[in-house]
Amino acid sequence: RKEVEQDPGPFNVPEGATVAFNCTYSNSASQSFFWYRQDCRKEPKLLMSVYSSGNEDGRFTAQLNRASQYISLLIRDSKLSDSATYLCVVNEGDSSYKLIFGSGTRLLVRP
Amino acid sequence: EPEVTQTPSHQVTQMGQEVILRCVPISNHLYFYWYRQILGQKVEFLVSFYNNEISEKSEIFDDQFSVERPDGSNFTLKIRSTKLEDSAMYFCASSEARDRVGEAFFGQGTRLTVV
Repeated sequence: RKEVEQDPGPFNVPEGATVAFNCTYSNSASQSFFWYRQDCRKEPKLLMSVYSSGNEDGRFTAQLNRASQYISLLIRDSKLSDSATYLCVVNEGDSSYKLIFGSGTRLLVRP
Repeated sequence: EPEVTQTPSHQVTQMGQEVILRCVPISNHLYFYWYRQILGQKVEFLVSFYNNEISEKSEIFDDQFSVERPDGSNFTLKIRSTKLEDSAMYFCASSEARDRVGEAFFGQGTRLTVV
C-alpha cells in the first residue's frame, strides 16, 4: 500500500467552480499534514498546513479525518491561476524529519 | 521574500562521473534537506541535515551520495559515480525549526541528466 495516495486526475473544471481533492495515508501514527502546490517543472510550494480542526485560507479549505486517515482540500471559486498539481504531504513526526509526498492531483481550470 | 537558491539549474554529466549540486538555504533556517523527483514521478526524500550532521536518510541515499555544509551558507549534495537512474530533478529545501519541518521552502531545483 502506498504511503500517501491521491487520485492523479486531471480534474478539468471551469473558472468559478468548486473542486475537492482527497488523499489517504497509510501510517496511523502520522502527525502533521500539508498541501503543497507544484506548477509544471517547478518546485513544490507550501499551500497550507492541515489541522485536526480543519482550517481555511481564503478560497482554500483543508480538513483532516484521523480516524479514516483521510485529508481533503476544497478550492472554491477556481481561478485560471489555480491550475497546478496539488501534492498531499505527510510528516510522521517524532523522530522523522522527512516529508512523504503523494503523487499529486492535477487541476486544470479552463476559461 | 527569502528563498532557497540552487546551482546549477541544469547539469549534464556522463555516467560514472562525480557531480556536486549546490544550495544556499534560507539564512535563519536550521534544517536542510535534499529531495529528488524523477520525471513524471513523485517527490522523494533523500536526506535531512541538522547541526552539521545527517539526521535522517532514505534507502535511496546510499554510499554514492554525501552531503556537506562546507561553510555557513552552502549545502551540497555529491553523487560520487553517477548512474543513468540518477537522472532527476534535485530539490534542496530548508525549514526554520523542528516543529516546522512540514513548512519547508524548496529551491527551484537542479535538473541532472546522466548520459
